Amino acid sequence: DTGVSQDPRHKITKRGQNVTFRCDPISEHNRLYWYRQTLGQGPEFLTYFQNEAQLEKSRLLSDRFSAERPKGSFSTLEIQRTEQGDSAMYLCASSFGTGVEQYFGPGTRLTVT
Amino acid sequence: AQTVTQSQPEMSVQEAETVTLSCTYDTSENNYYLFWYKQPPSRQMILVIRQEAYKQQNATENRFSVNFQKAAKSFSLKISDSQLGDTAMYFCAFMKHNNDMRFGAGTRLTVKP
Repeated sequence: DTGVSQDPRHKITKRGQNVTFRCDPISEHNRLYWYRQTLGQGPEFLTYFQNEAQLEKSRLLSDRFSAERPKGSFSTLEIQRTEQGDSAMYLCASSFGTGVEQYFGPGTRLTVT
Repeated sequence: AQTVTQSQPEMSVQEAETVTLSCTYDTSENNYYLFWYKQPPSRQMILVIRQEAYKQQNATENRFSVNFQKAAKSFSLKISDSQLGDTAMYFCAFMKHNNDMRFGAGTRLTVKP
């Protein structure tokens, strides 16, 4: 499968725990994006990387959220001290070069109890 | 800030009929991109069609076409000869400068046999 992959697909955690999600973009795609999608809403932009550089962060990305893309390939999104309001689908997308089309992964559904 | 509005939370259409989904957006930019994405139930988001703001000609992809009215900031999607596989959430999205994409709240389309 050469599409964008995300792991895990589902995560249930207790409030206050830390969680980490992984995204593997399409090979050679230099741009990688994270979005959050709550039930009944469209995705909201969180942050994006060009290669290993994090170029833009949304105000939605509070201090409890951190994203990395250390070698310009896969990326991780960590949420510390999770809250019930963090329950959502976390989507990753990638794009190539200056292309505008973003290819989405299947998402990680987080449930905070 | 850019906002995207989809005023139709739900729509339905008979198989083989035509349906139009509405989208309006607000921006002060002159150059930008508009997209329609499809998110089938429990499946990942895929691009249906895109439109560059500098192009006057409306984009067409097989059974999918758009009516782009730049002055009115309107970007509707027409689906012709609707098929059962078109059943999905449809998101209108706006993007500038090849970074964060802003999505509308979505329209849930059901194609009835």
